[in-house]
Amino acid sequence: DTEVTQTPKHLVMGMTNKKSLKCEQHMGHRAMYWYKQKAKKPPELMFVYSYEKLSINESVPSRFSPECPNSSLLNLHLHALQPEDSALYLCASSQVVQRLDTQYFGPGTRLTVL
Amino acid sequence: DQQVKQNSPSLSVQEGRISILNCDYTNSMFDYFLWYKKYPAEGPTFLISISSIKDKNEDGRFTVFLNKSAKHLSLHIVPSQPGDSAVYFCAAGLQGAQKLVFGQGTRLTINP
Repeated sequence: DTEVTQTPKHLVMGMTNKKSLKCEQHMGHRAMYWYKQKAKKPPELMFVYSYEKLSINESVPSRFSPECPNSSLLNLHLHALQPEDSALYLCASSQVVQRLDTQYFGPGTRLTVL
Repeated sequence: DQQVKQNSPSLSVQEGRISILNCDYTNSMFDYFLWYKKYPAEGPTFLISISSIKDKNEDGRFTVFLNKSAKHLSLHIVPSQPGDSAVYFCAAGLQGAQKLVFGQGTRLTINP
């Protein structure tokens, strides 16, 4: 099983809303990632978790708050977003951060901020 | 500074022919390289990878070639099929860096 699941598939929110994106994997991977992808652009790394601890924050604004409750789950809490934050948010996992050649992506959550 | 470049935004190939997608990089320290395929509204799907100690890796219809001296890699798909129509991203990784660097992507269209 090489599946990374993400919910919801689509999300529309206002600038004052609070919402969360969820990511799950059951491959026993100990590294998990959040990426943001705008149309016709490559994925941009946002956060890396290694063994449930935040390892990399790519200078992401604080209106994005990641959380890794356990080794299978990764959340991204959203608050006071801007319209320019509308994008496809991708979750990925790999065996460990040193094995990026095993990185698998989920299908993404399409976020629209009104 | 874009460390991984895919200079062709799009490529059109006849079904049954060979598709060749190219990728250049600037950092000679990259240890491994990956190709991902992406359909619209879906996440990237891992396709094939190659370590910097090899110059070729083959998996079915897909072959990746690495030319370290030229800092260039290519993905060959043969024969090309309509289902191969997608955006292809190359990515490069560095041991210990904990992240991949992606190219801009090439949109491949296979014509029947």
